[in-house]
Amino acid sequence: AQSVSQHNHHVILSEAASLELGCNYSYGGTVNLFWYVQYPGQHLQLLLKYFSGDPLVKGIKGFEAEFIKSKFSFNLRKPSVQWSDTAEYFCAVRGSTLGRLYFGRGTQLTVWP
Amino acid sequence: DSGVTQTPKHLITATGQRVTLRCSPRSGDLSVYWYQQSLDQGLQFLIQYYNGEERAKGNILERFSAQQFPDLHSELNLSSLELGDSALYFCASSVEWGQGYEQFFGPGTRLTVL
Repeated sequence: AQSVSQHNHHVILSEAASLELGCNYSYGGTVNLFWYVQYPGQHLQLLLKYFSGDPLVKGIKGFEAEFIKSKFSFNLRKPSVQWSDTAEYFCAVRGSTLGRLYFGRGTQLTVWP
Repeated sequence: DSGVTQTPKHLITATGQRVTLRCSPRSGDLSVYWYQQSLDQGLQFLIQYYNGEERAKGNILERFSAQQFPDLHSELNLSSLELGDSALYFCASSVEWGQGYEQFFGPGTRLTVL
């Protein structure tokens, strides 16, 4: 079975600090990779996705992620966080042909102004 | 706004009861997915439908069932509810199923079982 690990449960940063959230998955075949964000009381929104091609993916709101196949990783980065980035971030993987997503447990990011 | 709608937004009910959650996918999307988000289990896939037919099952209890209607909206039925069923239930939709297609999530239905 596929699984997704997010290493940090809660990250606390000051505004303008750099962010990197780790995500590792277990699946040996072709994968689609996603990062979703969930603001308090809201639904999941897609930050970025990787299907194929350039392993460095740029998403919305200044986020980017790098797919490293050899490490089974898809880490999320942002050079300078803002207070408005306070939210929960979920890494998700799709490795089968059926379409379902496997989610990590999420990382709560708190940014202090 | 993702274009996926879910009703109701909140649902409070008692143990042993039965509820129905409704999802309308984005216009043109044929595939519907249901996910459960709880503190204990995180975000877990329940079931997937494609153009009216069940395509995949995940960690869905036997007390739960779902269907997708000819107009492509979907309903998730939860019966004999237990306290542990309290969770946020998300519906997602995509144009097709499988790799290469993005899933768009609805706002969720928050179910509280008392």
